[in-house]
Amino acid sequence: DIVMTQSPDSLAVSLGERAAINCKSSQSILHGSINKNYLAWYQQKAGQPPKLLIYWSSTRESGVPDRFSGSGSGTDFTLTISSLQAEDVAVYYCQQYYTTPETFGQGTKVEIK
Amino acid sequence: EVQLVESGGGLAQPGGSLRLSCAASGFTFSGHWMHWVRQPPGKGLVWVSQINSDGSSITYADSVKGRFTISRDNAKNTVYLQMNSLRAEDTAVYYCSRGIGSGWFDPWGQGTLVTVSS
Repeated sequence: DIVMTQSPDSLAVSLGERAAINCKSSQSILHGSINKNYLAWYQQKAGQPPKLLIYWSSTRESGVPDRFSGSGSGTDFTLTISSLQAEDVAVYYCQQYYTTPETFGQGTKVEIK
Repeated sequence: EVQLVESGGGLAQPGGSLRLSCAASGFTFSGHWMHWVRQPPGKGLVWVSQINSDGSSITYADSVKGRFTISRDNAKNTVYLQMNSLRAEDTAVYYCSRGIGSGWFDPWGQGTLVTVSS
């Protein structure tokens, strides 16, 4: 199984400041023939199900604010919130869908400082 | 509106059984893979099982293989998870989700809580 490791486990950021979450896969999740990384990011607010933010490592889902962006390739990826808003308080998960089982990172809790 | 609604959770004794259902609406159900993902209390997301659009391809996590059975009824737009030989470590909120493209999940249902305890 591909192991997904996120860092940090939690972070506190001031409103309007940048937040960055890292995700590392235990093997490359880049499909060379189509040059796409099989990585998604989800946001889970307290008491709610996860919500898709980003797929193909950097494609923003429709309706997701453009302050959310994804980057990286191969084994190292980053979710960046460019200007943290109060409504962004949540746990964020990365997920690889390169192979089954589709594995998730352990989650990163984002709070307001 | 695309919607997934789970039901069937509750309290079960160790060794017991439960059957979860996930009713889908707002999209062509028969055209999509469907997944079950669980989340133990206070913990992260764990993929449990998947079934392809016509039910001919099924995969399970090692932790549930031989105990859980996923199935679907495309006429009823519903996916099921039959859970047998339940253990305390199966306690979790169970979500169903639609597979999109090459494998991301969207949307997710609101979840149903399964508690295994004597």
